[in-house]
Amino acid sequence: GAGVSQTPSNKVTEKGKYVELRCDPISGHTALYWYRQSLGQGPEFLIYFQGTGAADDSGLPNDRFFAVRPEGSVSTLKIQRTERGDSAVYLCASSLAGGPLDTQYFGPGTRLTVL
Amino acid sequence: AQSVTQPDIHITVSEGASLELRCNYSYGATPYLFWYVQSPGQGLQLLLKYFSGDTLVQGIKGFEAEFKRSQSSFNLRKPSVHWSDAAEYFCAVGANDYKLSFGAGTTVTVRA
Repeated sequence: GAGVSQTPSNKVTEKGKYVELRCDPISGHTALYWYRQSLGQGPEFLIYFQGTGAADDSGLPNDRFFAVRPEGSVSTLKIQRTERGDSAVYLCASSLAGGPLDTQYFGPGTRLTVL
Repeated sequence: AQSVTQPDIHITVSEGASLELRCNYSYGATPYLFWYVQSPGQGLQLLLKYFSGDTLVQGIKGFEAEFKRSQSSFNLRKPSVHWSDAAEYFCAVGANDYKLSFGAGTTVTVRA
C-alpha cells in the first residue's frame, strides 16, 4: 500500500516568508508525528497528533511554528516569518495507534531552504 | 530525558565484509530501541526494534542488533555487506510514550 507522502519534496523561500508543508499519512493511521532533521543531525521531535488534536507540541521551537490536522488525516506544518535557521529536512511519520510499541513509518521529507 | 550517541560519523567497509555500527543510549529505565536506515531520497526505514525479551534482535535485510544493558549499548551488525547497504543509519531510543530520540547517524560507504 501507499506509504507516507510529503509535499513539496523541496521548498526554497526567502527569509520572512510563510511556508506550509503537507503530510499524507498511511490510511487508517491515527497517530502522526513531525520531526526536523538539520544537516548532520538525527531527526528531532516537533509535534505529535492523535486524531485531530495535537497531543504533544513540546518540540516546536517557538510560536512561529504551528501544525494542524483538521480531519484526522492530512497534516500541515506551518512556519511563519521563516528564518535561515529553519532550513532543514522536515519529516513526517505516522503509526497505527501511537503507543511506544507502534512502529513509526516515515515519509521522504520536505527539504526547506530559507535564503 | 533519553539520549543516543553514535560514536562513528562515517564508516567505510568492503563489499562482503562484516559491519558493526555502535549505539549507546542514556535512559533511566528499560528503553525501547530502534535502528532505522535512510537512503538518499527515501524515508527512514525501520530495520529492527527491541522492546523486551531476547537481547539479540533480528531485523530486515540481514541485520541484527544486540541489547547490552550493562554497557547501555545497542550495536547493529551485518555479517556480509552488500553495495546496496550504503546509506545513513540512525539509532533511536523511545521512552514510555511516542517520542523517539535519534542519534546523529552513521554514514556507511561500501567499496567494491
